[in-house]
Amino acid sequence: NAGVTQTPKFQVLKTGQSMTLQCAQDMNHEYMSWYRQDPGMGLRLIHYSVGAGITDQGEVPNGYNVSRSTTEDFPLRLLSAAPSQTSVYFCASSYSRGRYEQYFGPGTRLTVT
Amino acid sequence: KQEVTQIPAALSVPEGENLVLNCSFTDSAIYNLQWFRQDPGKGLTSLLLIQSSQREQTSGRLNASLDKSSGRSTLYIAASQPGDSATYLCAVPSGTYKYIFGTGTRLKVLA
Repeated sequence: NAGVTQTPKFQVLKTGQSMTLQCAQDMNHEYMSWYRQDPGMGLRLIHYSVGAGITDQGEVPNGYNVSRSTTEDFPLRLLSAAPSQTSVYFCASSYSRGRYEQYFGPGTRLTVT
Repeated sequence: KQEVTQIPAALSVPEGENLVLNCSFTDSAIYNLQWFRQDPGKGLTSLLLIQSSQREQTSGRLNASLDKSSGRSTLYIAASQPGDSATYLCAVPSGTYKYIFGTGTRLKVLA
């Protein structure tokens, strides 16, 4: 049972490039989400999903895209990277929304130059 | 709108001390509250999940309490050790689908 896994661990992009951050969980969790963590601002929700085929926006969705074709995977796409997207990105999952323990992945540290 | 505050932002204590970390929230209509630990450069590790119907939850040297009416939770760490040094965050559900996090308390336990 690997829990929540994320790849890559580190990434450097140039402004305007696109990329996909991968997230997978093997706990058959319904709910998955993406956060970014910035100094002094805490964790902010980017997008979330309550099941395969269902996604919605969080607090800071602009510049990011998600899809959920399977229960296990929830990739985050940066469409055209900007320096403001330099951050640490965490994926999380839980059995269901709101009432259950959240499990986090190890994070992806992204730098956009 | 739910807001979560953690005070103090940083704390430094000698090894062996018992200590209390605080988490305050503005909307008391919560299902639960979760405490996490984050080591530098790492992800969040769940420590305790305390349901709204509970007043306390314990795991080893950790004890979390929840007082919904006053909008407060405390994380008590007994007999602190240098290995407890980390940032501790609390989080509450907001609405149906979202979680709101505090900005954390950075703890340093001195040997």
